[in-house]
Order: sequence, then structure tokens, then C-alpha cells
Amino acid sequence: DAKTTQPNSMESNEEEPVHLPCNHSTISGTDYIHWYRQLPSQGPEYVIHGLTSNVNNRMASLAIAEDRKSSTLILHRATLRDAAVYYCIPHRGSARQLTFGSGTQLTVLP
Amino acid sequence: NAGVTQTPKFRILKIGQSMTLQCAQDMNHNYMYWYRQDPGMGLKLIYYSVGAGITDKGEVPNGYNVSRSTTEDFPLRLELAAPSQTSVYFCASSSQGMSNQPQHFGDGTRLSIL
Repeated sequence: DAKTTQPNSMESNEEEPVHLPCNHSTISGTDYIHWYRQLPSQGPEYVIHGLTSNVNNRMASLAIAEDRKSSTLILHRATLRDAAVYYCIPHRGSARQLTFGSGTQLTVLP
Repeated sequence: NAGVTQTPKFRILKIGQSMTLQCAQDMNHNYMYWYRQDPGMGLKLIYYSVGAGITDKGEVPNGYNVSRSTTEDFPLRLELAAPSQTSVYFCASSSQGMSNQPQHFGDGTRLSIL
């Protein structure tokens, strides 16, 4: 599995954009980049995934570097409900499990 | 929108007791997974299933058993509970096992072995 590096923690003000970075320099060419988040006392929640192109959905946007060695999850307007641990996970098709690292703890300030 | 439902939410067991953690999904997903999450750690795969009647071991299967008699249900059994099995257990499902398919998780079962 590709090794990932994420900041341990980040803070954001409510209603401001948040950019959560992730380095995955050993990613394989066929690994999709997944982002999940885990709110307190809940199971992980799928956020978004992509391969090469930038992706948007109702929850967030995913910007993938051209060399695919890094990606950024963008929350356009942070809310208090977005406070969670965010995990960046390169996912290989041959691997059944998602490999969760330590993630980034996002704190949203009112 | 039930998604993945896990029961019970909390349980305390004595050493040596057995129990079954229940997991059900209503999305007609073929793939189902059991993970455990120890405090401050990432999730580790215990067992997974690619369809009814087919199961396989994950990274940490010792002390657990699973069965998959229907598409919807994937119970996890602890036969002889040990303190090392104190953890939060998450069940997940996905439509396929491919790298471009997201996994959908339940809210977990918090298990303490005393």
C-alpha cells in the first residue's frame, strides 16, 4: 500500500473554505485516491474519490496533482458538522481492505 | 435509508464468553467487511466476504469467525472473548471490491472484555 502523510490537525473558521492536504508519493498508477472522514463515535463516512482528474460532489472537491503524488480535499464552506478526522487512502483494486492511517483532525471554530 | 446497520451498539463481556455481532445492509451489496479500531489507531480488516457463501481472512482474523448465508447479513462471532478483543467493530459493504468503489460503514459496536 502507498504510504500517506497528512497533517495531524488543522483548524478552520466556520463558513470558510478548508484545504486538507495529503502526500502519497509511492502511489501506484492504478490506485484510486479515496477520502473518508470519521465523526466522533461514528463509523467512517465516504467523502470522495478520484484517479487523475479533479472531482466534485455535493460534499467536497478533490484536487489531484498532475504527478498524482499528492492530493487536496476541499471543503468549500466548513460547518461545525464537518469537524472530524479526515483520512486520505490510496486504494488498490487487489487490496480488499482500506488502509486507514492516522488522518487529519479538523477542528471548525464558530 | 438504513444503509449498514450494526447491533448491538455497546456490549460488555466477561473473559471466555462468546457473542455474535450483527451486521445487515439493505443496498444489495456483494462485498461486506469487518474491521476493528483500537483507541487512537486506524481500522484493521478482520474478515471480508465477496458474496453469499464466500468469506476470507483479513489482516487480523484470529479469535473471530464469520458466515455469510445471505447477501444482506454478515455476522461476526467471538468464541472465547479475550481482553485483547476490546475494540470498536465496524461493518462495511461495497457493491464491488474494485478500487473505484466506496465502502459504506455502520456506526460500530463498542465491545469491552473484562
